Amino acid sequence: DARVTQTPRHKVTEMGQEVTMRCQPILGHNTVFWYRQTMMQGLELLAYFRNRAPLDDSGMPKDRFSAEMPDATLATLKIQPSEPRDSAVYFCASGKPGTGFSGANVLTFGAGSRLTVL
Amino acid sequence: AQSVTQLDSHVSVSEGTPVLLRCNYSSSYSPSLFWYVQHPNKGLQLLLKYTSAATLVKGINGFEAEFKKSETSFHLTKPSAHMSDAAEYFCVVRRYGGSQGNLIFGKGTKLSVKP
Repeated sequence: DARVTQTPRHKVTEMGQEVTMRCQPILGHNTVFWYRQTMMQGLELLAYFRNRAPLDDSGMPKDRFSAEMPDATLATLKIQPSEPRDSAVYFCASGKPGTGFSGANVLTFGAGSRLTVL
Repeated sequence: AQSVTQLDSHVSVSEGTPVLLRCNYSSSYSPSLFWYVQHPNKGLQLLLKYTSAATLVKGINGFEAEFKKSETSFHLTKPSAHMSDAAEYFCVVRRYGGSQGNLIFGKGTKLSVKP
């Protein structure tokens, strides 16, 4: 089974440190999404790429978060500096090319990166 | 604005008994609705989706959901629970006009299955 690979699976860091999370989307998928899951807020969309171009990052705190896709096989989410309120599970998901919603719109999620900021 | 409300944060059933996970949606437009499942320490997996075709949608692992416009509901059901169904289930609506992945997730319902 093709899968979305996320690293690290777990990260514990201290406030103020830089954190980088990585995602390898499924080969052939042209859309990549970053979601954050917390107990309080549930799942929230942070950023969205199509064909490596950022299309929607309105859910992301711009002052400390940044998302990039250096190439088609790697997406990164960086937090600098990290804060305790960033503690969450961060999910990456990828999707196939499709036209409109009636198409696939099926996202394959990675297993997540659990971040704890002390 | 669109939203989904999962009416129960936790549901407990015995193995072999029916499962009902409730979800109500709010949408000014014909919604696109999904159910995702998340097993412990795993990513989310699509169970099924409704995209204005048949109102009764069959998904994987014996789950199905019925879209009821009059009740603005999209409840998830399974006739007979299995131990492996224990997980968290999310009802999801796609944000109208939003990008493919601009999904609005419910708060989730944790399903426990007792032997």
